[in-house]
Amino acid sequence: DAEITQSPRHKITETGRQVTLACHQTWNHNNMFWYRQDLGHGLRLIHYSYGVQDTNKGEVSDGYSVSRSNTEDLPLTLESAASSQTSVYFCASSDMRGGSTDTQYFGPGTRLTVL
Amino acid sequence: DQQVKQNSPSLSVQEGRISILNCDYTNSMFDYFLWYKKYPAEGPTFLISISSIKDKNEDGRFTVFLNKSAKHLSLHIVPSQPGDSAVYFCAASLSNFGNEKLTFGTGTRLTIIP
Repeated sequence: DAEITQSPRHKITETGRQVTLACHQTWNHNNMFWYRQDLGHGLRLIHYSYGVQDTNKGEVSDGYSVSRSNTEDLPLTLESAASSQTSVYFCASSDMRGGSTDTQYFGPGTRLTVL
Repeated sequence: DQQVKQNSPSLSVQEGRISILNCDYTNSMFDYFLWYKKYPAEGPTFLISISSIKDKNEDGRFTVFLNKSAKHLSLHIVPSQPGDSAVYFCAASLSNFGNEKLTFGTGTRLTIIP
């Protein structure tokens, strides 16, 4: 079955370290997204991509970067982790065609703690 | 600036009764609205959606109502079941579909009391 996976599921790191969260989908979706979930803020968009080599900043992109070298993967990098980036991170993907497949499918999430 | 707002952080409803979750938005350019359901330690899953050209969409026990003039949408669950206990997020899109970037509300935790 096609799916979307995230790794690791849990990560503890120290302030200032570089961290990369992986997201892999097997639906062959063109669109991929990274969100963070925080109490009182809901889900906020960090970065998104509508295809290979395409990346765009979202609402809360400072301190994060992404690259899209193939259809299946959109890794999220925290260049220098800060305590404010402690959060649960969700990756999502969707079909570019819209219509009956007009929804995003979410991964299980990565809980990141920055000490 | 929170463009999509869910003003009730939590809601408790008796099993079998109607659950009504509300969502308000400020950006009149939003064209498509969705509701997602989230269980603990899982990713959100799509529940139901509505285009701005409609005022109602039904799917089984779930109905979404849209009032464009009031910039308000609501999700009705009838009858409520224990498995409906979850956090519900409303989301809005500037496009005609929900496959492009979304703006989410802060969520409402629904608890169904047996």
